[in-house]
Amino acid sequence: DAMVIQNPRYQVTQFGKPVTLSCSQTLNHNVMYWYQQKSSQAPKLLFHYYDKDFNNEADTPDNFQSRRPNTSFCFLDIRSPGLGDAAMYLCATSRGGTGSLTDTQYFGPGTRLTVL
Amino acid sequence: EDKVVQSPLSLVVHEGDTVTLNCSYEVTNFRSLLWYKQEKKAPTFLFMLTSSGIEKKSGRLSSILDKKELFSILNITATQTGDSAIYLCAVDLYGGATNKLIFGTGTLLAVQP
Repeated sequence: DAMVIQNPRYQVTQFGKPVTLSCSQTLNHNVMYWYQQKSSQAPKLLFHYYDKDFNNEADTPDNFQSRRPNTSFCFLDIRSPGLGDAAMYLCATSRGGTGSLTDTQYFGPGTRLTVL
Repeated sequence: EDKVVQSPLSLVVHEGDTVTLNCSYEVTNFRSLLWYKQEKKAPTFLFMLTSSGIEKKSGRLSSILDKKELFSILNITATQTGDSAIYLCAVDLYGGATNKLIFGTGTLLAVQP
């Protein structure tokens, strides 16, 4: 089945120790998104790629970086995790449209990050 | 500032009850409104609404959008315990080739046997 896959599902890291979260998709979608969802809060968009074009949200901290080496994979790098970065990290994909065409995002199962 | 507000924040009902979840929004460049169901994992897509007054239905779930009053409702009839989840409303902002979703904080629905 076509899907969005995230690894690992649970990640524990230490304060300040770099961590990388992975997302892959078999949907052949052009757009990949990374969201941060803290407990009892709405998902918050960090950044997204349209193909190789990177789009960072204005309020995304510099501590968060992303890489998309090919269509199928996208990585979220947290350079120096702080306690406040503990959250669920959701990857989503969409086909990508133009003009007024609507587009649906499909989410992966998420990676729950714990920072000790 | 773009915002999406959902109400109630939480709701407890018994199986068989009908519930209505509300979503209001104030955004620039509205393109569509989406409803997602989130259990203890990623959100799963329920509906996309783009036009006022056209009801979308899927089994016991239905939703409608009012673009004049800037709100949407999600109805669930004959609720079951499996409907227990967080229901997220998101607005897709027109931004060219990609869509930017602004999420509400969700409504936590608990359906008791």
